[in-house]
Amino acid sequence: KNEVEQSPQNLTAQEGEFITINCSYSVGISALHWLQQHPGGGIVSLFMLSSGKKKHGRLIATINIQEKHSSLHITASHPRDSAVYICAVDPYFGNEKLTFGTGTRLTIIP
Amino acid sequence: DTAVSQTPKYLVTQMGNDKSIKCEQNLGHDTMYWYKQDSKKFLKIMFSYNNKELIINETVPNRFSPKSPDKAHLNLHINSLELGDSAVYFCASSRTFNGGGAASNEQFFGPGTRLTVL
Repeated sequence: KNEVEQSPQNLTAQEGEFITINCSYSVGISALHWLQQHPGGGIVSLFMLSSGKKKHGRLIATINIQEKHSSLHITASHPRDSAVYICAVDPYFGNEKLTFGTGTRLTIIP
Repeated sequence: DTAVSQTPKYLVTQMGNDKSIKCEQNLGHDTMYWYKQDSKKFLKIMFSYNNKELIINETVPNRFSPKSPDKAHLNLHINSLELGDSAVYFCASSRTFNGGGAASNEQFFGPGTRLTVL
């Protein structure tokens, strides 16, 4: 069982819809990362958080340390948001290595 | 200016060959990584270097040998390539500061190198 589980694996939505992607993990962590991988393959770091909530434009990331759960929300989704979204955690005593989820493929239809 | 660059972007080669992938970052970071992304898009850490010193070496065949000539460069040499080595390899870098581990800091990824072994 992977230490980091994401849901859903695939998500298709209409433009303008509110999107939620979930990430659950099983170990104590120092930080959680949300990454975006474009269809062209490049990976971009969206957020890094260890508590609470962060917002950047239409993207919001939240984390609940007690429940070992994080969510990534996209408001007013747009076709350019179509990408794979990857959750990754830095476990306590993890020797500074990230453990990745399997990713959520998001497709936004115009 | 490109923050983290990798060369080549594509690499097609025969089984048994030896090849290298180069990575350079101009962000002034002190930690660099190599990740492997398999056909199912699953990312996994291979190596991490901090200030030219190896700090993470996952269960990777010793045909893979990273080399860090300086803080800004981390190259990956692969000997005796096998079919299963076909994947996309990503280089990344991050800072270490405020006592936090490098993995607790934002990572910047290179564009990836798609390796195909025939």
